[in-house]
Amino acid sequence: EDQVTQSPEALRLQEGESSSLNCSYTVSGLRGLFWYRQDPGKGPEFLFTLYSAGEEKEKERLKATLTKKESFLHITAPKPEDSATYLCAVQAIEYGGSEKLVFGKGTKLTVNP
Amino acid sequence: DTGVSQDPRHKITKRGQNVTFRCDPISEHNRLYWYRQTLGQGPEFLTYFQNEAQLEKSRLLSDRFSAERPKGSFSTLEIQRTEQGDSAMYLCASGIRGGGNTIYFGEGSWLTVV
Repeated sequence: EDQVTQSPEALRLQEGESSSLNCSYTVSGLRGLFWYRQDPGKGPEFLFTLYSAGEEKEKERLKATLTKKESFLHITAPKPEDSATYLCAVQAIEYGGSEKLVFGKGTKLTVNP
Repeated sequence: DTGVSQDPRHKITKRGQNVTFRCDPISEHNRLYWYRQTLGQGPEFLTYFQNEAQLEKSRLLSDRFSAERPKGSFSTLEIQRTEQGDSAMYLCASGIRGGGNTIYFGEGSWLTVV
């Protein structure tokens, strides 16, 4: 069973059309939930870290929220340059003292002008 | 640019050859990670260093893989006797103890085994 599931797999929006990406996780004892943006052929670019349910963080047109079972990445009035794959990852106490992040498969976002 | 630096960015090798990738982390970051990513998948954890000590190794890191961080600064990832299944992007990331759990990735090194 995947511990981190992202939906949808792909999302196509028109410029200015707001939407949300979902990241659901099944781990217990969350140490941190991370959002990254990845452009084709490049490494993931850090966006946000969330540590506890109810926490929210914002950066430009992006806002990340966290509950006990899932996280949302809200995109307000997106622009074509927001097109990328958005990755969610978790770090959990059940991994023992492990430092690893477990990633989902990502949501590929395309914003059309 | 003071981000994580990886070299080479692209490598094409014949099956059975050895390859080595280098990672220079962000200055003063004492935590260093290697991940592997294939098309359509998220990155998968390979190994973790704190300073020069290799503290974790994933079961994905077979005997053909070895990673070092000799002086707690740069790191190398060597793959011996490459196989076609090793074709992937190898990502290095770094973080700082006391800086939360956030890690920052480099641009990755693409490996194609033919």
